[in-house]
Amino acid sequence: SQQGEEDPQALSIQEGENATMNCSYKTSINNLQWYRQNSGRGLVHLILIRSNEREKHSGRLRVTLDTSKKSSSLLITASRAADTASYFCATEDYGGSQGNLIFGKGTKLSVKP
Amino acid sequence: KAGVTQTPRYLIKTRGQQVTLSCSPISGHRSVSWYQQTPGQGLQFLFEYFSETQRNKGNFPGRFSGRQFSNSRSEMNVSTLELGDSALYLCASSLTLRGISYEQYFGPGTRLTVT
Repeated sequence: SQQGEEDPQALSIQEGENATMNCSYKTSINNLQWYRQNSGRGLVHLILIRSNEREKHSGRLRVTLDTSKKSSSLLITASRAADTASYFCATEDYGGSQGNLIFGKGTKLSVKP
Repeated sequence: KAGVTQTPRYLIKTRGQQVTLSCSPISGHRSVSWYQQTPGQGLQFLFEYFSETQRNKGNFPGRFSGRQFSNSRSEMNVSTLELGDSALYLCASSLTLRGISYEQYFGPGTRLTVT
């Protein structure tokens, strides 16, 4: 079953612009993670944010978490063509199974040079 | 550190056959999770092993099974293959310390095609 739902499903921007992707989920969580996947390959971990955190940064990435609204956003600043990929949010349920991430369907980001 | 490795990378099987996929986690990681990715269903959790024990299982039929060895390497097996089992199978390893989960590191996946 899907927990996270990313929005939008697809996003096309020019190099240098910012890209914002949103994720909504349904249940209480321990943590929320964002992953990137290039064209049918393995997933690359981007950021993990725990339920008691509100914001996290990593390089050009900024993630926010609003547990009251059960939502998260991923901001990529100054995007590059190499950022073209699918981005997934994944949640680990509160009190739930460790090692069991529930993924959304993803946002397909296309960055045009 | 070497990343998560999966073998084989590509596999073509016929309906009714069985298949075994292998995963070697990052050194020191004792938790190994398996996921199935298809265009229709997206990424779905299959099962997770920790210290040779299956801790969690997703909503898949009994044809899907797995195991973990003492060196944390893991295998998953699918018996009596169906066309719908065609998918990218991803393995991920992570640290789990004192009940706290950390990020999962994924392998490149095994692309299984069932004809």
